[in-house]
Amino acid sequence: DGGITQSPKYLFRKEGQNVTLSCEQNLNHDAMYWYRQDPGQGLRLIYYSQIVNDFQKGDIAEGYSVSREKKESFPLTVTSAQKNPTAFYLCASSKPYRGDEQYFGPGTRLTVT
Amino acid sequence: AQTVTQSQPEMSVQEAETVTLSCTYDTSESDYYLFWYKQPPSRQMILVIRQEAYKQQNATENRFSVNFQKAAKSFSLKISDSQLGDAAMYFCAYRSAIRSQGNLIFGKGTKLSVKP
Repeated sequence: DGGITQSPKYLFRKEGQNVTLSCEQNLNHDAMYWYRQDPGQGLRLIYYSQIVNDFQKGDIAEGYSVSREKKESFPLTVTSAQKNPTAFYLCASSKPYRGDEQYFGPGTRLTVT
Repeated sequence: AQTVTQSQPEMSVQEAETVTLSCTYDTSESDYYLFWYKQPPSRQMILVIRQEAYKQQNATENRFSVNFQKAAKSFSLKISDSQLGDAAMYFCAYRSAIRSQGNLIFGKGTKLSVKP
């Protein structure tokens, strides 16, 4: 079945450590996105990529980095520069066509202590 | 910049009744797309319904329908014959028709409870 996988579902890290969240899709979508969800805040865009080897910052990119070396993969690194990294992270993908829906992965809950 | 506002943090409905969730948005664009996503306790985001701004006809998907008022920049979701499985967070989202801006802009969500 086609879909988006994110691993792991729960991730715990110590403050000061970088951590990479995985996102893989087999939907043959060109565009991929990372969102952060906090209680009462909705979803906010961190980074997005519309094509391999290209990506753009979203609204809250500070303290995060991404890469897009393969069409299927869009990993997100949460660096030690991110001041409040504890959150729920959602990855999504879509075709690059107008109005196409975004398909979401199951998410990763990151807790930094 | 576009913004999406959901003014109802929480709503409650009796099973089998009808409920309407509100959403307003702000944009200077004339062509765009609007979505309602459902996020159940599993936290998996599920598309409920989509509306193209250039279409005057309101979208409908089974028990879910929207009231799209372009001039008023309003996009409400009506759930008919509410079921226990409808209990979830509901997010309204905006997407520009400009290809380079394909990301979604979300409201803060409305938590819907369904009473048996």
